[in-house]
Amino acid sequence: GAVVSQHPSWVICKSGTSVKIECRSLDFQATTMFWYRQFPKQSLMLMATSNEGSKATYEQGVEKDKFLINHASLTLSTLTVTSAHPEDSSFYICSARPGLGSFNEQFFGPGTRLTVL
Amino acid sequence: KQEVTQIPAALSVPEGENLVLNCSFTDSAIYNLQWFRQDPGKGLTSLLLIQSSQREQTSGRLNASLDKSSGRSTLYIAASQPGDSATYLCAVKDDKIIFGKGTRLHILP
Repeated sequence: GAVVSQHPSWVICKSGTSVKIECRSLDFQATTMFWYRQFPKQSLMLMATSNEGSKATYEQGVEKDKFLINHASLTLSTLTVTSAHPEDSSFYICSARPGLGSFNEQFFGPGTRLTVL
Repeated sequence: KQEVTQIPAALSVPEGENLVLNCSFTDSAIYNLQWFRQDPGKGLTSLLLIQSSQREQTSGRLNASLDKSSGRSTLYIAASQPGDSATYLCAVKDDKIIFGKGTRLHILP
């Protein structure tokens, strides 16, 4: 149980275009989902926390107008990278937390590799 | 601000040896600590999760310990195998999950 999927697993796009990444909890409902970014040989950095039915909370230094997050259902959150540039190339990983408890374990997706040309 | 440090950054050991990976964190007010494995270009695989009230967790050849008061955790891998080669990430949870940079482990056949 507790499987989280991401789609696509990898994407290559041209500079200036927008890319949407989906995160789904397959066998549980996730009130809260999280988006992380990982640059090569670096740690995962939390970008934003997404709560179903409300606006996402962004970490300091993350542009909310560039990284649009939508959490319209209890099993799906999407991250849209708008007007992508080469410096946005990274590994994006989502995680989902079942239930309402903030101490519940988070389950991580397999990640999406974004390459912006 | 919570900071998580993992030492060493990289480690190569011959197959069959036992090894220890270290993790330290600056703020002991955590709810839990988790060890993950990450293969190149892949997502995270959760290995062990230790609640703040626990001292250790074991799964197969893996044993993780937690000393919350000193801000330290270790991951012990017994009888290492080439398939254990990966990056191992330590993460602590206070109000968020904070990750270390990981230890890149290479088991030499």
